[in-house]
Amino acid sequence: GAGVSQSPRYKVAKRGQDVALRCDPISGHVSLFWYQQALGQGPEFLTYFQNEAQLDKSGLPSDRFFAERPEGSVSTLKIQRTQQEDSAVYLCASSLLDRNQPQHFGDGTRLSIL
Amino acid sequence: SQQGEEDPQALSIQEGENATMNCSYKTSINNLQWYRQNSGRGLVHLILIRSNEREKHSGRLRVTLDTSKKSSSLLITASRAADTASYFCATAYSGGGADGLTFGKGTHLIIQP
Repeated sequence: GAGVSQSPRYKVAKRGQDVALRCDPISGHVSLFWYQQALGQGPEFLTYFQNEAQLDKSGLPSDRFFAERPEGSVSTLKIQRTQQEDSAVYLCASSLLDRNQPQHFGDGTRLSIL
Repeated sequence: SQQGEEDPQALSIQEGENATMNCSYKTSINNLQWYRQNSGRGLVHLILIRSNEREKHSGRLRVTLDTSKKSSSLLITASRAADTASYFCATAYSGGGADGLTFGKGTHLIIQP
């Protein structure tokens, strides 16, 4: 498709389970970003990839969060040993070059931890 | 943490009226961007204004930037029911810091038909 695609759209997991969220960016986009959005808040930056290189992971809240983009295209955000405070919408965005261009967002994955 | 602040947090106006939203930020920026988010969807880019620009237009949208006051405004003219959404400003900071955008908490805009 032409836009950023995220899957699954909804994910329910029990506390302590591991989850994996997928992002398919726009083809040819160099940069990929992950954000976390709590209800009623703006997105908060988690991590940034330039091609396959993870250049910034300063926003990841703990070492339970891990992201990869092994071939410079699809990215996966993994959360280990989920906690209730991980419940949020996880948004993926891509841009042609870097953060100084418009970012194109997917519709997000709504994660609920029971 | 979120560095930007939008004002007002919520705004309800009649269709056809103009809507103005404001954004303040804290440090030097490369650019400021405005995004729209419909309920349950991702963000849609509206307009990007660079730090050396003062005003930019796109269709019914007008954005101003005052770097001395560290503030920006988004004006939507002749509002339509379809403009109902949350609007966020986002800044790309210059210098060091995170490589992602820093978003505010957003303004929830409701256009009454």
